[in-house]
Amino acid sequence: DTGVSQDPRHKITKRGQNVTFRCDPISEHNRLYWYRQTLGQGPEFLTYFQNEAQLEKSRLLSDRFSAERPKGSFSTLEIQRTEQGDSAMYLCASSFTSGRRSEQFFGPGTRLTVL
Amino acid sequence: AQKITQTQPGMFVQEKEAVTLDCTYDTSDQSYGLFWYKQPSSGEMIFLIYQGSYDEQNATEGRYSLNFQKARKSANLVISASQLGDSAMYFCAMREEIIQGAQKLVFGQGTRLTINP
Repeated sequence: DTGVSQDPRHKITKRGQNVTFRCDPISEHNRLYWYRQTLGQGPEFLTYFQNEAQLEKSRLLSDRFSAERPKGSFSTLEIQRTEQGDSAMYLCASSFTSGRRSEQFFGPGTRLTVL
Repeated sequence: AQKITQTQPGMFVQEKEAVTLDCTYDTSDQSYGLFWYKQPSSGEMIFLIYQGSYDEQNATEGRYSLNFQKARKSANLVISASQLGDSAMYFCAMREEIIQGAQKLVFGQGTRLTINP
């Protein structure tokens, strides 16, 4: 399977703990996105990488959140001192540079539950 | 900023019937792109169809077609001959420029489609 993969698929943690999620994009894609989806809502943009550079961050991404994409391959999203409001599905997507359509291919997501 | 509105929280349709899912959008851009994604209970967002603002014809992809009415700023998804496997959440989205030619997607709230046998 050469699609976008995410690990873990589910994470349950206690408030105040740190968590880290991993995303492996489609290998030829140089663009990588993180989105957050809360219950009953559409996904909301969090951050964007082009190769290894993080070029855009949403104001939704508080200072407790950090994302990296070392060597422009896989990406990690870390949440420090988790809060119950962080409970959501975290989706990763990747795409080719530009192009008229520039469709983003999504992974299966990581569902985070903060107790 | 772009805005997407999906006014149907839920739709119930009999198998083999056609169904239309509504989407209206708001943008000040002259050039824009609209997407529809399907999200089954497994969580993955599956790309269905794309419509560019300057495309002369409505987009079609198999059983999916897009009823694009530019003046009304609507981009409704039509699914013909619905199947049980079509039961899922459906999201309309529009791309919004961030920087250096990259775009993020702005999503609507989605419509939950249930196909009854």
